[in-house]
Amino acid sequence: SQQGEEDPQALSIQEGENATMNCSYKTSINNLQWYRQNSGRGLVHLILIRSNEREKHSGRLRVTLDTSKKSSSLLITASRAADTASYFCATDEGNKLVFGAGTILRVKS
Amino acid sequence: SQTIHQWPATLVQPVGSPLSLECTVEGTSNPNLYWYRQAAGRGLQLLFYSVGIGQISSEVPQNLSASRPQDRQFILSSKKLLLSDSGFYLCAWSSGLADNEQFFGPGTRLTVL
Repeated sequence: SQQGEEDPQALSIQEGENATMNCSYKTSINNLQWYRQNSGRGLVHLILIRSNEREKHSGRLRVTLDTSKKSSSLLITASRAADTASYFCATDEGNKLVFGAGTILRVKS
Repeated sequence: SQTIHQWPATLVQPVGSPLSLECTVEGTSNPNLYWYRQAAGRGLQLLFYSVGIGQISSEVPQNLSASRPQDRQFILSSKKLLLSDSGFYLCAWSSGLADNEQFFGPGTRLTVL
């Protein structure tokens, strides 16, 4: 079953603009993670936010978590063409992660 | 440092043929291991996970099976492939510690004809 659902399904922006992706989930979580996947490749872990955290930064990435709304957002600032990829949120359910369907981000140069 | 390998990278198989995909991890001990399938343009579906040798949890009933004959080896198998088994298969590992960050292999693209 898929717990996290990303919104939008696809996003196209110009280089230098910010990109915001949202994720909603249904049950209580230990943490929420964001992953990136370049076309035809494996996923790469980007950032993890724990259930008792509200915001976290890593370089150009900013993640927020609202447990009352069961939602998270990933903001990529000053986007680059190399940021073009699919982005997935995943919720931690003990020994396993449950992934959403992902957002396809295209950054045009 | 830890490394995860998958092979083959691509595979084209006829319907009804057997399947064996292999995943190995280097540089860590007693990892949790995972097999996922990803349909084109979709998210990941967890197929199997293992917290130790010989311990396999199945998430989705299907004609696939998994085995863990060694600590850092995870094998995905089928006796008879179906058309619907086509997809991108990803293996991943995690340390099994609290945060459960997962590290993914490069994947195997399987096409069943």
